[in-house]
Amino acid sequence: DQQVKQNSPSLSVQEGRISILNCDYTNSMFDYFLWYKKYPAEGPTFLISISSIKDKNEDGRFTVFLNKSAKHLSLHIVPSQPGDSAVYFCGTQGGSEKLVFGKGTKLTVNP
Amino acid sequence: NAGVTQTPKFQVLKTGQSMTLQCAQDMNHEYMSWYRQDPGMGLRLIHYSVGAGITDQGEVPNGYNVSRSTTEDFPLRLLSAAPSQTSVYFCASSYQTAGGYEQYFGPGTRLTVT
Repeated sequence: DQQVKQNSPSLSVQEGRISILNCDYTNSMFDYFLWYKKYPAEGPTFLISISSIKDKNEDGRFTVFLNKSAKHLSLHIVPSQPGDSAVYFCGTQGGSEKLVFGKGTKLTVNP
Repeated sequence: NAGVTQTPKFQVLKTGQSMTLQCAQDMNHEYMSWYRQDPGMGLRLIHYSVGAGITDQGEVPNGYNVSRSTTEDFPLRLLSAAPSQTSVYFCASSYQTAGGYEQYFGPGTRLTVT
């Protein structure tokens, strides 16, 4: 049973527009949510996180929104740049160091 | 700091062979994990450790063993390799922040089992 779902395997946007990546989770006990970015042939790198006590966290062009009632979080990238093209993984933790990921969404930003 | 290092970068095994994937970190992180990445499957947790001498199973532990004798090292052992273990393996270490555990990943080991 998949605890974290990223239902869109891929997303394509134009440079300068907004990219919205979505993630759904099943366990309401999860209390920490993270987004990781992965380029080909490299390890994933941490992008941004949000605690369950918040509903929004911003870091430059990246904003994560958390809707606890819907068990849904989203990552907004504004404006999108070609260098943002990568696979984005949503991950969740439930009070421990055990981090569970979704299947990822491949973002392509077209110049 | 070198961060998280993994060796080897590439490995080809025959079915039934055994091998150890090495992982080391120099950040003095207590927590370390192993993941595998397969097309369409994302990153799946194999085993993890909360400190030296303590390990636990993740989502897909079968066919793999781990041990944690030091804070720095967390090797992953394949006892009898199978084609289903063809994958890219990532080691990660993490520390506790105010809200959770931020993980640092190594560059990965690409394993092919024939």
